[in-house]
Amino acid sequence: EPEVTQTPSHQVTQMGQEVILRCVPISNHLYFYWYRQILGQKVEFLVSFYNNEISEKSEIFDDQFSVERPDGSNFTLKIRSTKLEDSAMYFCASNGWPGYEQYFGPGTRLTVT
Amino acid sequence: AQSVTQLGSHVSVSEGALVLLRCNYSSSVPPYLFWYVQYPNQGLQLLLKYTSAATLVKGINGFEAEFKKSETSFHLTKPSAHMSDAAEYFCAVSPNGNEKLTFGTGTRLTIIP
Repeated sequence: EPEVTQTPSHQVTQMGQEVILRCVPISNHLYFYWYRQILGQKVEFLVSFYNNEISEKSEIFDDQFSVERPDGSNFTLKIRSTKLEDSAMYFCASNGWPGYEQYFGPGTRLTVT
Repeated sequence: AQSVTQLGSHVSVSEGALVLLRCNYSSSVPPYLFWYVQYPNQGLQLLLKYTSAATLVKGINGFEAEFKKSETSFHLTKPSAHMSDAAEYFCAVSPNGNEKLTFGTGTRLTIIP
């Protein structure tokens, strides 16, 4: 069964460093998303991406964040200068027509020290 | 704007007993509703979805949910709890199939042997 994959599973970085989180969505999907979940809290939407552009972003997704689909398979989330409060589990998701459900990857746990 | 309220951050039931996890939604348009399950240290797995078809939705692992527009509810049930059902359960709403999911705060289900 097709699945969304994410790498790395765990990333530790120092405050102020740049990180790139990688995702490979399901191959025939067209809509891509990033969510995050701070430890013990609910899952929060960050950004959605369709047709090579951002379709919606939350207030969390400020200028420090960017997304890119550099080729036909990868979908990346970049944080330019990490802060302590960026420590969270980051989930990538995708869905495609005509299905309505979003398929989630296993997540990348980002720890900023 | 859409929102989801999950009543009860922790629910404990005995093995073999009925599981009832509550979810109420708020939406300005007919909603698409989802239940996801998260096992420890894992990603989000779709349990079931409501997409304006049948109001009683059956999902995986014996779970089902009923959409009640008059009560703006989408409660999750399972007739007989199993130890393997212990996990965090999230209700989520989307304005359509390809827009962001708004999640509830989650309900941690504990199964008592």
